[in-house]
Amino acid sequence: GAVVSQHPSRVICKSGTSVKIECRSLDFQATTMFWYRQFPKKSLMLMATSNEGSKATYEQGVEKDKFLINHASLTLSTLTVTSAHPEDSSFYICSARPSGGTETQYFGPGTRLLVL
Amino acid sequence: GNSVTQMEGPVTLSEEAFLTINCTYTATGYPSLFWYVQYPGEGLQLLLKATKADDKGSNKGFEATYRKETTSFHLEKGSVQVSDSAVYFCALSSGATNKLIFGTGTLLAVQP
Repeated sequence: GAVVSQHPSRVICKSGTSVKIECRSLDFQATTMFWYRQFPKKSLMLMATSNEGSKATYEQGVEKDKFLINHASLTLSTLTVTSAHPEDSSFYICSARPSGGTETQYFGPGTRLLVL
Repeated sequence: GNSVTQMEGPVTLSEEAFLTINCTYTATGYPSLFWYVQYPGEGLQLLLKATKADDKGSNKGFEATYRKETTSFHLEKGSVQVSDSAVYFCALSSGATNKLIFGTGTLLAVQP
């Protein structure tokens, strides 16, 4: 149980295009999902907290207009990297916290984004 | 602010060796502490956790004790296996939002 999927697992795009990454909780409902960015040999950095049916809460320094987050249902959150540039190349990881009060987060396998 | 510091890797051990990965934290209040593991090509998985001082989390032969006096949560295993090779992340969550704050991760490589 408690499986989280991400799609795509890997994406290469041209500079200036937009890329959408999906995060799904497969066997549970998640009121809250989180989006992280992981740089090589670095820790995971929280980008934003996504709440179903409301606006995402972004961490300091994360551009809201560049990283659009939508959490339209209890099992799906999407992250859209708009007008991507090479510096946006990274490993993006989502997690989902089951509805009901638990603090445990379950992580997706990550999406590798390469912007050329 | 809250932060997590863990030992840099890589840590290379022979099979059946004893493992310690150090983790210390800085936090206001009473955080919950976690160890996550990331196997090659997979997402992070919760390995163990402790929610209050002196609690010991354990799973798959790994254990860690929440030490408030030393603000530490060191990960230990008495006898590692090749299959334990992975990146291990120490993390804490605190406050109403329960946001996770991660350490930098420690790569463990176990050789047969």
